[in-house]
Amino acid sequence: NAGVTQTPKFQVLKTGQSMTLQCAQDMNHEYMSWYRQDPGMGLRLIHYSVGAGITDQGEVPNGYNVSRSTTEDFPLRLLSAAPSQTSVYFCASSLDRNMNTEAFFGQGTRLTVV
Amino acid sequence: QQQVKQSPQSLIVQKGGISIINCAYENTAFDYFPWYQQFPGKGPALLIAIRPDVSEKKEGRFTISFNKSAKQFSLHIMDSQPGDSATYFCAAKGRGGATNKLIFGTGTLLAVQP
Repeated sequence: NAGVTQTPKFQVLKTGQSMTLQCAQDMNHEYMSWYRQDPGMGLRLIHYSVGAGITDQGEVPNGYNVSRSTTEDFPLRLLSAAPSQTSVYFCASSLDRNMNTEAFFGQGTRLTVV
Repeated sequence: QQQVKQSPQSLIVQKGGISIINCAYENTAFDYFPWYQQFPGKGPALLIAIRPDVSEKKEGRFTISFNKSAKQFSLHIMDSQPGDSATYFCAAKGRGGATNKLIFGTGTLLAVQP
């Protein structure tokens, strides 16, 4: 049982480049989300999804796009990377879109934009 | 605006002592209040959670105290151990609509000295 898998673990981008952070879960969870973690800022919600085909914005959505074509996958796209997007990114999933159940986190992707 | 405020930012406790971390929330629609523990290089993991129908929940050495009228909740770690050294995040979530997302505090870095 892999849980929540994020790839890559580390990435360096040049300003203006684009990339996709991958997130996959094998627990048949409805709810998936992306957070960024910065020193002193905690975990801030970027985007979330309550099921396949449904996405919504979190606290800090600018500069990021998401889609949810399957229950298992929830990729995060950076269209034009900026140094302000240097951060550690975490994907999380939980069982039910409305019930308050445990969120399972991936191991994180450390992104540096130079 | 920060919907969940957490303090202190860092905490040093002697082995065997009590660690106390406090959080306050604003939105009365929140009805689920978990605490997450994060070790360096790992994703956060659920430690303990409480719903507003109870004022206290205890699991082993970890206790959540909840004050609904004051919109505050706290984590108490009894008999703190060096292995408890980690970053702790409080969080809050509601059900449905704009509150159906897990919002985190800014985190507390706990160091338990042997």
